[in-house]
Amino acid sequence: NAGVTQTPKFQVLKTGQSMTLQCAQDMNHNSMYWYRQDPGMGLRLIYYSASEGTTDKGEVPNGYNVSRLNKREFSLRLESAAPSQTSVYFCASSEETGILGNQPQHFGDGTRLSIL
Amino acid sequence: TQLLEQSPQFLSIQEGENLTVYCNSSSVFSSLQWYRQEPGEGPVLLVTVVTGGEVKKLKRLTFQFGDARKDSSLHITAAQPGDTGLYLCAGEAGATNKLIFGTGTLLAVQP
Repeated sequence: NAGVTQTPKFQVLKTGQSMTLQCAQDMNHNSMYWYRQDPGMGLRLIYYSASEGTTDKGEVPNGYNVSRLNKREFSLRLESAAPSQTSVYFCASSEETGILGNQPQHFGDGTRLSIL
Repeated sequence: TQLLEQSPQFLSIQEGENLTVYCNSSSVFSSLQWYRQEPGEGPVLLVTVVTGGEVKKLKRLTFQFGDARKDSSLHITAAQPGDTGLYLCAGEAGATNKLIFGTGTLLAVQP
């Protein structure tokens, strides 16, 4: 009963290094999301994928890229990490959008990323 | 840009007290969700409210959606230490399933 699994749980990078955060869900959900959480700012959407094969920018996409590898997996890549990207990153999934709106999002436990 | 402001930001109370958390916006939302997040974990959905004026109860938690669907409140009766956590409201604009999250209310209930 894994739900949404994120790896790694913790990572420290140096400025300029690259890294991919992995996310997989086993609930057969169509939609997947990447958020970052910073103190006092709630969760902000970076990118989302409404269905396999599609991705769209969210509120704060700059400095990130994503890949919806298949229905289960949605990865987030930092090509050249910057200290401003120090944050906790959450992946989430939900049933498909559209007329089924209001669907709850199921979150992983997060990746704590520090960039020095 | 749609914003959801939550108040208060922090709340520390004694076990048995009542409290209310507010979630306000100038925008209309088609639905609003409340999540609770515990340290080291992701948010977990508590409730979804859809209709203006709707009230939902979850044991000691009462959720209300404003008549104009721009605001919501969460009332906890007789708070318990197990209620400690970060409470997040999240609004959905249209049937997009994209959520705008509030700034969060960090609640600490002291035994």
